[in-house]
Amino acid sequence: SQQGEEDPQALSIQEGENATMNCSYKTSINNLQWYRQNSGRGLVHLILIRSNEREKHSGRLRVTLDTSKKSSSLLITASRAADTASYFCATASIFSGGYNKLIFGAGTRLAVHP
Amino acid sequence: DAGVIQSPRHEVTEMGQEVTLRCKPISGHNSLFWYRQTMMRGLELLIYFNNNVPIDDSGMPEDRFSAKMPNASFSTLKIQPSEPRDSAVYFCASSFGRGGVTEAFFGQGTRLTVV
Repeated sequence: SQQGEEDPQALSIQEGENATMNCSYKTSINNLQWYRQNSGRGLVHLILIRSNEREKHSGRLRVTLDTSKKSSSLLITASRAADTASYFCATASIFSGGYNKLIFGAGTRLAVHP
Repeated sequence: DAGVIQSPRHEVTEMGQEVTLRCKPISGHNSLFWYRQTMMRGLELLIYFNNNVPIDDSGMPEDRFSAKMPNASFSTLKIQPSEPRDSAVYFCASSFGRGGVTEAFFGQGTRLTVV
């Protein structure tokens, strides 16, 4: 079952523009992570934000987390053609025994045009 | 470290045959996940191991699917008998800690086609 739902499903922008992707989830979380997947490849971790954090930066990436609204956003600034990929949010939620399940959303397909 | 290694990269098999997918996690990682990715259902968590013990297999679709982790450096996902609807990309991922508390590292996946 999927925990997170990304919005939009697809996004098409020009190089240099900013790209914003949103993720909503349903249950309490330990942390929320964003991953990138290039076509035909495995997923690559981008950034992790813990439930007690509200914002985090890594290079051109900015992630926000609003636990009251159960939502997160990923902002990619000054996009490049090489940013073209699918982006997934994943939630780590505690279940029995104190372990965390890592559940992925459906993803946003980002196309950055030169 | 070479990262998470999956084999084979591609597998084409006939319906009814047994399929075994293999995964070598990153050394030192104690959590291992198997995921299945399809266009229709996205990324589904099939099973999660911690310290070689299956913690949650509620995502395993049917009894035809089984997974083992005999030691910290090797895991298998077996489908017997395989069906066309099992066609998907299967990913193995590993991390350190009790599941998703840290970033997960993914293998390149095995693309399974059942004809």
